[in-house]
Amino acid sequence: QKEVEQNSGPLSVPEGAIASLNCTYSDRGSQSFFWYRQYSGKSPELIMFIYSNGDKEDGRFTAQLNKASQYVSLLIRDSQPSDSATYLCAAGGSNYKLTFGKGTLLTVNP
Amino acid sequence: DAGVTQSPTHLIKTRGQQVTLRCSPKSGHDTVSWYQQALGQGPQFIFQYYEEEERQRGNFPDRFSGHQFPNYSSELNVNALLLGDSALYLCASSGSQDVRGETQYFGPGTRLLVL
Repeated sequence: QKEVEQNSGPLSVPEGAIASLNCTYSDRGSQSFFWYRQYSGKSPELIMFIYSNGDKEDGRFTAQLNKASQYVSLLIRDSQPSDSATYLCAAGGSNYKLTFGKGTLLTVNP
Repeated sequence: DAGVTQSPTHLIKTRGQQVTLRCSPKSGHDTVSWYQQALGQGPQFIFQYYEEEERQRGNFPDRFSGHQFPNYSSELNVNALLLGDSALYLCASSGSQDVRGETQYFGPGTRLLVL
C-alpha cells in the first residue's frame, strides 16, 4: 500500500510565526508533490507543487523536497489567522493519480 | 477563465438508490479525475478519464463507474448506494498539454448523504 503520512495535528502557532508542516511518502516512484489547503467545508485549493530536490519559494510559502529521505515539507512564514485550515500533502507518479495524506489541521492564533 | 465546476452541490439519497454527479473541467484541460473524501480523511482516488476512456482506477468497487464526453466533461455514477458512500465527491481537472500535466485543480465538490 503506497502511503502518504502527515501528522494530523492540530498544529497551533501564534500570528506572525513560522508554521512547519511535514509529510513522508512510501512510494519511491513518486515524482511530483503537491500541497493543498482546505478550509472547513470547502474543496482543496492548490498552494504549491515541487518536483526537484531542494526548496521552492512562492511568497510566504516554501516547499522543501528530499527524495532520499522521502520527505516533503511546507513552511508558512508570517502566519496569518486566514492560514488556519487543513493542509493536504499529495504525491503523484506516472500512474496519473494523486495519493493524499489525511491532512494537518493548522490553527493560527491572533 | 472558468474553473472546475460540479453539480449538484448537495445531494441526499437513500440506500440502494443510484446517483449521477457531473463535472466540467477547467478551460483548456482535457483530463478529469474523481476523488472521494470522507470526513476527516484525505481524498481517495476513484478513477481518471482521458480521451473518453478510464485511464486509471483506484481501489473502488464496480458500483462506481464514470464517463467522459467529447467536450471533456465527465460523470460519476454510483449504483446501489451504501451508507458508507456518504462523502464529499471531488472532481479534479488537469491538462495533458501542460508542462506539468499531473497538476490537478479541484472543483467545489458534491456532498452526498446516504440515509
